[in-house]
Parts: sequence; C-alpha cells; structure tokens
Amino acid sequence: NAGVTQTPKFQVLKTGQSMTLQCAQDMNHEYMSWYRQDPGMGLRLIHYSVGAGITDQGEVPNGYNVSRSTTEDFPLRLLSAAPSQTSVYFCASSQGSHQPQHFGDGTRLSIL
Amino acid sequence: GEDVEQSLFLSVREGDSSVINCTYTDSSSTYLYWYKQEPGAGLQLLTYIFSNMDMKQDQRLTVLLNKKDKHLSLRIADTQTGDSAIYFCAEIEDTGRRALTFGSGTRLQVQP
Repeated sequence: NAGVTQTPKFQVLKTGQSMTLQCAQDMNHEYMSWYRQDPGMGLRLIHYSVGAGITDQGEVPNGYNVSRSTTEDFPLRLLSAAPSQTSVYFCASSQGSHQPQHFGDGTRLSIL
Repeated sequence: GEDVEQSLFLSVREGDSSVINCTYTDSSSTYLYWYKQEPGAGLQLLTYIFSNMDMKQDQRLTVLLNKKDKHLSLRIADTQTGDSAIYFCAEIEDTGRRALTFGSGTRLQVQP
C-alpha cells in the first residue's frame, strides 16, 4: 500500500541552488498536485496536472516548474532556491472529478 | 476567490465531545473535506460530505453541513488523546483545477 510517495523527506539548500522534489503514486490516479504549507496557514496550490502531458499553474507557481511525462510521477523543480521557499511541500493525487485527494507525507525544505 | 475560515484552537477533556467549525464562501462547492494532521506528518483524509447532504456519520465522527449559512462542522464523540492534532477543513473548486482550498487549521488539544 504505497499510495503517494515523496522523496526526500528533508532537504537543506543554499540560496541559488536547484533541486527536484519527487512524487510518485501507484494508484493510477489522473489528477496530481503540489501544495506548500507555511506556519499558521493552510495549504496553497503550486501546480497541478489533470493527466500525463498536461500541467497548469495553481495559486503560487512562481519559482517552481513541473512536468508530467507519466501518470505515476509528478516532480516539482526549484530552479534557483530562495529563502521564501522554505516550507513543507505536499504532493496529492486523486482519481476522477472531486474524488478525495490523497496526500504524501511531505518534504520539509529549508533554504539558507 | 474562495475563502475557508476556522477557529485556531480548541481544548477539550478526554471523553468529551469536540466540535470544530468551518465557514466557507464558495457557493458552488460540491464536496467539503476534513483532514487531520499530526505533528510532523502528512494530511490524513478523515471524511468528506457532498453538498447535497446535510449530515454524514462515520463511527465517532459526525459532519454537519448548513449550506444556507455555508457552515460545516466536525463533531468527534468520546475524544481521545490520540485525537490531538490539527484539523483542516477544505472545499474543492467546481472547476477544472479541482484545487482544494484549505482553512488555516484548528489545533485540537485533548487533556487527560
């Protein structure tokens, strides 16, 4: 029962470095998304995908890129990390319109 | 845009009932969700309700929806110390984004 798997669980970067946060799901879900969670706030949508080859921007997309070459994987790329991107990042997936979204355990990212 | 609001904190004694409240603004919401987040963990889907329902019960959990007032509540019966967590209310957009809009979360503290 893997569900939604995120790697790494923790990462510390220096300002200006790049990295990719990985997200994989084994439930054959069409819809996948990335959220960030900041202290005292709910989750905010960064990017989402309704299927392989299709991605679109969410509420806070600046500084992040995504791609969806397969149904299973939806990586999130930080091109040039900034301290404002220090956050906890969650990936989610769901099957079908309005079906409940299942979340990974998160990646805790610190930018120094 | 959509807005979801929750009170920040609730403290109850073990064995009592907890009621966590949420208000939302999007009248086109089709599903409303409750997620639980324990410290350092991801979001766990607790329950959800379709907007044409006014109540849903699942073991110790009861969800009440007042669509006219756009008010959602989660009642936890016989609250246990293991219920201590942050509870997020979320609604889903009735658009292609299928993005969840989250409240900022209610921290439930259960005292022995």
